[in-house]
Amino acid sequence: NAGVTQTPKFQVLKTGQSMTLQCAQDMNHNSMYWYRQDPGMGLRLIYYSASEGTTDKGEVPNGYNVSRLNKREFSLRLESAAPSQTSVYFCASSHRGGDQPQHFGDGTRLSIL
Amino acid sequence: AQTVTQSQPEMSVQEAETVTLSCTYDTSESNYYLFWYKQPPSRQMILVIRQEAYKQQNATENRFSVNFQKAAKSFSLKISDSQLGDTAMYFCALGTGGAQKLVFGQGTRLTINP
Repeated sequence: NAGVTQTPKFQVLKTGQSMTLQCAQDMNHNSMYWYRQDPGMGLRLIYYSASEGTTDKGEVPNGYNVSRLNKREFSLRLESAAPSQTSVYFCASSHRGGDQPQHFGDGTRLSIL
Repeated sequence: AQTVTQSQPEMSVQEAETVTLSCTYDTSESNYYLFWYKQPPSRQMILVIRQEAYKQQNATENRFSVNFQKAAKSFSLKISDSQLGDTAMYFCALGTGGAQKLVFGQGTRLTINP
């Protein structure tokens, strides 16, 4: 089972460049999420999509945009990358419902120079 | 606003010992869920255990159990008969709303020594 697949796994960008992180899940989940994890910290929610066709801001949305392309795919875009966006990015998915566990991808390590 | 606090940045125990990781949280929501996730060096996030706030009975999963004190807003994780494979970062998380927006604590780095 592939679960949640994130591409790429690593990326280095220069300040001001744009980049789209891809995420796809094969578990027929309704909800999808993007988090960032900075050193020594827990994950922080950037954006989420409760169901296909909807997206909402999380805790730290500034500098990011998302697209829920279909039920399987949820992409995260950095329009003009900044060094403060250097982080590890995780995509997750879950069935709808507060008690449903989230399943995470392996993360994308992104460095902005 | 929801907050989650883990006051133990690092812990270390010997193999086969029992260890308890602490977590406190704050929320004004009446319906919420609590989770413990494990992040080994491979960086994967793995669900360890979950607790529904409306349930008084503490959740258990094999060697993992929680002590949920709703009035105190405390949610600790107990690992019994610890194993080398338990070495990881452990994150406590609070989920609210139907879309389950998770708020994570800062994490506790647990090392199991042989």
